[in-house]
Amino acid sequence: GQNIDQPTEMTATEGAIVQINCTYQTSGFNGLFWYQQHAGEAPTFLSYNVLDGLEEKGRFSSFLSRSKGYSYLLLKELQMKDSASYLCAVMDSNYQLIWGAGTKLIIKP
Amino acid sequence: DTEVTQTPKHLVMGMTNKKSLKCEQHMGHRAMYWYKQKAKKPPELMFVYSYEKLSINESVPSRFSPECPNSSLLNLHLHALQPEDSALYLCASSQDEADRNTEAFFGQGTRLTVV
Repeated sequence: GQNIDQPTEMTATEGAIVQINCTYQTSGFNGLFWYQQHAGEAPTFLSYNVLDGLEEKGRFSSFLSRSKGYSYLLLKELQMKDSASYLCAVMDSNYQLIWGAGTKLIIKP
Repeated sequence: DTEVTQTPKHLVMGMTNKKSLKCEQHMGHRAMYWYKQKAKKPPELMFVYSYEKLSINESVPSRFSPECPNSSLLNLHLHALQPEDSALYLCASSQDEADRNTEAFFGQGTRLTVV
């Protein structure tokens, strides 16, 4: 079956760095997405990885290892507004998005 | 314009009512999606339209009926819903369903409550 695993909840301190991991087993792979979702709002796109390596975008970076079925989202210089759920999603061989359950990130002052 | 607009933002309906959710995008995207999201769960795909044709129906009950009048609009017609259908309904669009770099843009969603 298809499976995406990520931690349910993480806590970090304002100004610090946090890494949210995602492991996946899917039928085919056509890219991995990270989305941010604040409570009661729609998901917003953060990053897309299809090749191995690190993609950096401001305070956010995303890493992919296809051989390990593994990705992480790295958030630096955490701000209170970064408190949200972070969803990992993989596009499978049918170009369908398979979603993880999301990681709720709590930022403390 | 990089927005997907959904109306209404909130909807309360009885189990015998008929209502419609609307979604609009003007990015020239050819793939549009309906998702259902329950609290603290990831979005669940319901329907995919590609080039205005229904390409995927994820075994959704017939009380949900999608419609794509043109390439910019996507509707979801609701009839005889159950209380367990209460959820956030998200519309999304992407450049092309078969395009590898298919970033999906989401609308703000319609919060549906069935009473």
